[in-house]
Amino acid sequence: GQSLEQPSEVTAVEGAIVQINCTYQTSGFYGLSWYQQHDGGAPTFLSYNALDGLEETGRFSSFLSRSDSYGYLLLQELQMKDSASYFCAVGTGGFKTIFGAGTRLFVKA
Amino acid sequence: NAGVTQTPKFQVLKTGQSMTLQCAQDMNHNSMYWYRQDPGMGLRLIYYSASEGTTDKGEVPNGYNVSRLNKREFSLRLESAAPSQTSVYFCASSELGEGGNEQFFGPGTRLTVL
Repeated sequence: GQSLEQPSEVTAVEGAIVQINCTYQTSGFYGLSWYQQHDGGAPTFLSYNALDGLEETGRFSSFLSRSDSYGYLLLQELQMKDSASYFCAVGTGGFKTIFGAGTRLFVKA
Repeated sequence: NAGVTQTPKFQVLKTGQSMTLQCAQDMNHNSMYWYRQDPGMGLRLIYYSASEGTTDKGEVPNGYNVSRLNKREFSLRLESAAPSQTSVYFCASSELGEGGNEQFFGPGTRLTVL
């Protein structure tokens, strides 16, 4: 079967750095995406990695290692508004995307 | 630009009733998707439409039908609702569907089936 594994919860303090890991096992792989979702809201796109390496977008960075079937999302200079759920997602081909169960991030003052 | 819009925002149905969830996007995207999200879970793909005139099954298509009415609109129909279909339904669209890159999501429809 196909699966994406990510921690269910992570807690960090304001101003700190947090890393959310994602390992995947899928029948196909085109790229790894990350989405943010606040309670009651819609998922919003954060980043996409198709090739190995680090992609940086402001305070957020995302990393991919295709040989290890592994990626992570790095959030720097955490703010209270970053408290949300974060989902990794794999494009498996044929317009299909598999989402992980999500990591709930709690940012404490 | 409104992005992706969905109607209704909330709906309560009785078992066996039918309904259609509407979705429209104004970004001229080719690909559109319907997902469901259950508590504490990620999104699961119900159906998708790679381009106008085509639709295909996703992970969990049973109990649903879809129509790609035109390039802008993609509807999801529940013919005979069941309590197991209680969920939040999200419609999404993307410019380049192959590869799983950036998808834009609508605000969701919160459906309860009694």
